[in-house]
Amino acid sequence: EAQVTQNPRYLITVTGKKLTVTCSQNMNHEYMSWYRQDPGLGLRQIYYSMNVEVTDKGDVPEGYKVSRKEKRNFPLILESPSPNQTSLYFCASSSDRALAKNIQYFGAGTRLSVL
Amino acid sequence: DQQVKQNSPSLSVQEGRISILNCDYTNSMFDYFLWYKKYPAEGPTFLISISSIKDKNEDGRFTVFLNKSAKHLSLHIVPSQPGDSAVYFCAATRDDKIIFGKGTRLHILP
Repeated sequence: EAQVTQNPRYLITVTGKKLTVTCSQNMNHEYMSWYRQDPGLGLRQIYYSMNVEVTDKGDVPEGYKVSRKEKRNFPLILESPSPNQTSLYFCASSSDRALAKNIQYFGAGTRLSVL
Repeated sequence: DQQVKQNSPSLSVQEGRISILNCDYTNSMFDYFLWYKKYPAEGPTFLISISSIKDKNEDGRFTVFLNKSAKHLSLHIVPSQPGDSAVYFCAATRDDKIIFGKGTRLHILP
C-alpha cells in the first residue's frame, strides 16, 4: 500500500530537549515536505526537498532542521524545541517536481506538545 | 501577508444541495491551484486542481472555477453528501513553493 508514515503520532516533550520526527514514503517520490497546522493559520510549509541531498526552506523554517540522505526518508529535527512549536505536523511526498501536476500524499500527522 | 485567503471559516449545507467553497489569492504569478480535503485525525488528501491557464476543471461531483481577473477560485460540490463534511484547504503553487489557505470547515446537514 502506498503511504507516507510519520512517527511518532503523538509526542509530549519539554523545552530544549532535542527531538526528531521521522517520515518515510514507499512510493519512490522525489519531492518531500513538512508542514505545520495551527488553529486559524492553516497549513504552513516548513521545509521541502526536491531530491536526495537537496533541501530548501519553506515559509516557517526557523527552529527546524531537515535532512534527506535517502530518497524515502525525510526526518524533521527540532534541536531545541520551544512552546511555540506546539503544533500538528504533516509530512507529504509527491512524485514530480511540478507539484501541482501531481498529487501530494500526506502522512496522518504528528501532534507535538512542547511544555 | 496572506497570499491565499479562505474567508469563510465554516459553511453548512443541506445534503443534496450545492456546496460552494471560495478562495481568493493576491499573487498573479501562481501557476496552479489545488483543493485538499481533510478529515479529523487524518492527513489532507488531494481533491482537484486547476492550471492558471484554464477557467474550469471538473471531476465527478467536484468542479473548480478560476476567475483570474478577480483572483478568485471556487470549489463546487454537487450534490453534497454526508461524507463531504470535512475541512477544505485551498492551495496555490509557484515554482517549488505551495501556499495553503486557512481552510473552511464544511458541514453537510441531513
